[in-house]
Amino acid sequence: GNSVTQMEGPVTLSEEAFLTINCTYTATGYPSLFWYVQYPGEGLQLLLKATKADDKGSNKGFEATYRKETTSFHLEKGSVQVSDSAVYFCALSVGGGGAQKLVFGQGTRLTINP
Amino acid sequence: KAGVTQTPRYLIKTRGQQVTLSCSPISGHRSVSWYQQTPGQGLQFLFEYFSETQRNKGNFPGRFSGRQFSNSRSEMNVSTLELGDSALYLCASSSAGTGRLETQYFGPGTRLLVL
Repeated sequence: GNSVTQMEGPVTLSEEAFLTINCTYTATGYPSLFWYVQYPGEGLQLLLKATKADDKGSNKGFEATYRKETTSFHLEKGSVQVSDSAVYFCALSVGGGGAQKLVFGQGTRLTINP
Repeated sequence: KAGVTQTPRYLIKTRGQQVTLSCSPISGHRSVSWYQQTPGQGLQFLFEYFSETQRNKGNFPGRFSGRQFSNSRSEMNVSTLELGDSALYLCASSSAGTGRLETQYFGPGTRLLVL
């Protein structure tokens, strides 16, 4: 079946530190991969995506590369800010005939201290 | 473009009651999906609708149902509420048609508390 595994949190870093949140997946077919972010009391916001192997998604200083050989989509940011504190979800989408279904990892809570 | 809107934002119900949640997708989006988020189970897919037809369904009991209207707005209904139904219910829309996956955009969610 399809599944996503994220590194367990919580993760606490100091401002300007380097961030990596690991994500690996298992999928039948050729998934699209996503990172979503959830701020307190809010829904999910799309952070970045990649739709095929070796694609790199990027947004707001965050990056992730679709690695088919290692079935991974790790999230990185070179210098985090306090405003990056949130819960991050890795997800995949596989569907036939356009049917939409996202499978999520368990989420990683990130706290950035000033 | 306005984003995905969900109403109400908060609900308190008691066990045994039923509840209806509403979702208005981004203009032009015809696919609407629903997800349940709980601390224990995380984010789980409930169902997806496209052009008023349920196209995909998750592993939830029949107490959970939904529908989509001709204007793409969607409702989900939970009957005979149980304490374990307390959750954040998220709606997402996409421009997906047939044969192609598209990005899903999420609303702010409806937080349901069952007492």
